[in-house]
Amino acid sequence: NAGVTQTPKFRVLKTGQSMTLLCAQDMNHEYMYWYRQDPGMGLRLIHYSVGEGTTAKGEVPDGYNVSRLKKQNFLLGLESAAPSQTSVYFCASSHPGQRSSYGYTFGSGTRLTVV
Amino acid sequence: AQKVTQAQTEISVVEKEDVTLDCVYETRDTTYYLFWYKQPPSGELVFLIRRNSFDEQNEISGRYSWNFQKSTSSFNFTITASQVVDSAVYFCALLTSGTYKYIFGTGTRLKVLA
Repeated sequence: NAGVTQTPKFRVLKTGQSMTLLCAQDMNHEYMYWYRQDPGMGLRLIHYSVGEGTTAKGEVPDGYNVSRLKKQNFLLGLESAAPSQTSVYFCASSHPGQRSSYGYTFGSGTRLTVV
Repeated sequence: AQKVTQAQTEISVVEKEDVTLDCVYETRDTTYYLFWYKQPPSGELVFLIRRNSFDEQNEISGRYSWNFQKSTSSFNFTITASQVVDSAVYFCALLTSGTYKYIFGTGTRLKVLA
C-alpha cells in the first residue's frame, strides 16, 4: 500500500520553464490537495479537489493550475516558473468522514528550486 | 476568521527534559477538529493526533500528551522525557466543520540535544 506518491522528489527549473508535479494515491480517497511549505509560513493551500473532474482554488493559487482527470491522480502545473515558486510542495488526500477522524495522508514532498 | 498560532518558532531542550509546544486557535464554529503533525528532518508529514471540539479529554500516548482547553482556545502538546528522535518541526492544524481545507500553524522546530 503506497499511500500518496509524489513525483518527482526534486527538481530544478529555470525561470520561465514549465513543469507538472504528479500526485497519485491508491486509497480511493475523494479529496486531494496541493500545499506549499515555505520557511516560517507553515503549509499553505494552493488548490484542492473534492472529486474526479473538480478543482478549486486555495489560499495561494496564482501561477499554478491543477487537473483531476482520474480519481487517483492530482496534477499541479507551473506554466511559467518564477523564483517565488521555489518551495517544498506537498500533496495530500483524505476521504469524506475520515478527514476529520484520521487527518490527511501526505506525500513525501517535492523540493522545487527555480533559478 | 480562522487562525492557528504557534508562537514558539524554535525550542531547544536537552534530552530527557519535558517540553510543551503551544497551539492557540481561532474559530467561530462550534464544531471543529484540531490536529498535530510531526515533520522529521526527512521531510515527510506524520499525523499524530486528532481532537474534536466536543471532546476536551486530555490524551496520553506513551511520552506524548495533549491538553485541549476550549476556554483558552489552546491545544498544547507535551513530550515527556524528550529524545533526540523527537527533533522535528511540529505543526498544529484546525479543520472546521463543512470546510475542506485545514488551517496550519507556522510550526515549531524542536531540537533535542544529546
